[in-house]
Amino acid sequence: NAGVTQTPKFQVLKTGQSMTLQCAQDMNHEYMSWYRQDPGMGLRLIHYSVGAGITDQGEVPNGYNVSRSTTEDFPLRLLSAAPSQTSVYFCASSSTGGPHSGNTIYFGEGSWLTVV
Amino acid sequence: AQKITQTQPGMFVQEKEAVTLDCTYDTSDPSYGLFWYKQPSSGEMIFLIYQGSYDQQNATEGRYSLNFQKARKSANLVISASQLGDSAMYFCAMREVPNDYKLSFGAGTTVTVRA
Repeated sequence: NAGVTQTPKFQVLKTGQSMTLQCAQDMNHEYMSWYRQDPGMGLRLIHYSVGAGITDQGEVPNGYNVSRSTTEDFPLRLLSAAPSQTSVYFCASSSTGGPHSGNTIYFGEGSWLTVV
Repeated sequence: AQKITQTQPGMFVQEKEAVTLDCTYDTSDPSYGLFWYKQPSSGEMIFLIYQGSYDQQNATEGRYSLNFQKARKSANLVISASQLGDSAMYFCAMREVPNDYKLSFGAGTTVTVRA
């Protein structure tokens, strides 16, 4: 039972480098999202997808790119890493049952990214 | 405007005692769900408890209970009989209609359980 698989778990980047955080889910969920977690700010939504081929921006999208070519995969790309992107990143997937469907939201284990 | 407010950055609790973590929320939608998550030092997000806006009774899951006061827009988490393993960051979150693709999170409360 894999759930949401997120890689890598740790990464150090130099300013200006690009990289991709991978996220895959095996639950056939339509919704997938990327959040970043910063001290004192909780988790904030970067980008989300409501289905294959459909993506949109969240609260803090600048400097990030996403695509959703399959239901299972939702990679997050850092185009040109900046120290301000040092953070913990979480991928999440959920079904479309709405807020009264109980706990149908599943998180990956997180990715710790440091940009130097 | 902040949708979820957690006013306690950090709390200390004695082992075996109960602790209440505050959470207030802001929404004009009558249909929403409220969640609490635990994040231990290892970093993963662990789901604890869920409360739907139309639920008549307060949610309970083992030692966790949610004190849901709809008119006050509060959803406080109560952890009974605290254990050392409860030391963690706790997040309150909300899922709303029509934006049910996302959760809005509070800033979190760090709980430290003392022996």
